Amino acid sequence: EAQVTQNPRYLITVTGKKLTVTCSQNMNHEYMSWYRQDPGLGLRQIYYSMNVEVTDKGDVPEGYKVSRKEKRNFPLILESPSPNQTSLYFCASSFKGVGTEAFFGQGTRLTVV
Amino acid sequence: KQEVTQIPAALSVPEGENLVLNCSFTDSAIYNLQWFRQDPGKGLTSLLLIQSSQREQTSGRLNASLDKSSGRSTLYIAASQPGDSATYLCAVRFLTGRRALTFGSGTRLQVQP
Repeated sequence: EAQVTQNPRYLITVTGKKLTVTCSQNMNHEYMSWYRQDPGLGLRQIYYSMNVEVTDKGDVPEGYKVSRKEKRNFPLILESPSPNQTSLYFCASSFKGVGTEAFFGQGTRLTVV
Repeated sequence: KQEVTQIPAALSVPEGENLVLNCSFTDSAIYNLQWFRQDPGKGLTSLLLIQSSQREQTSGRLNASLDKSSGRSTLYIAASQPGDSATYLCAVRFLTGRRALTFGSGTRLQVQP
């Protein structure tokens, strides 16, 4: 089944404790990205990657890192999480053509206390 | 600034009604527009993708139209069912910028049995 898989689905952590949210897709997509969803602000892009070893900032990159060492994986790294990073996170992927359909993972609900 | 707006924010209808959800965007220079469904606490499920050159797309009881010149799209749901209850999100991929999807804030639909 074609899908985007995120792990974990739920995470509660403390301020400053480094964490990684994994994202994997099995559709051979070149383009991958991370979004966060907050009440009243909607979904906003954090980082994106056009292909392996090619990443760039989205609208709200501060406090996040990403890497793209393999085509299928695009982990989101929070080096020192803070409470304002409490949010619902989504990973998405698509083929690199701009007209292609985007597929989203099931989301990761992160709480930073 | 490129923005996407969805009206109404919430909608409640009795089962069986036909309904229309609206999406407007500020820049007509787009690659495509995608409608998603989001169930509470869940991920985004892609419903329909309309390319900039298309006027409409249909899938089952769903029909999405696109009027690029006026910056508007509608999602028509025929014969609504309680299972259609969810938040519906409109997302636009603009020609300029990072190829990110710009999301509207969504319409929360409740279909009463």
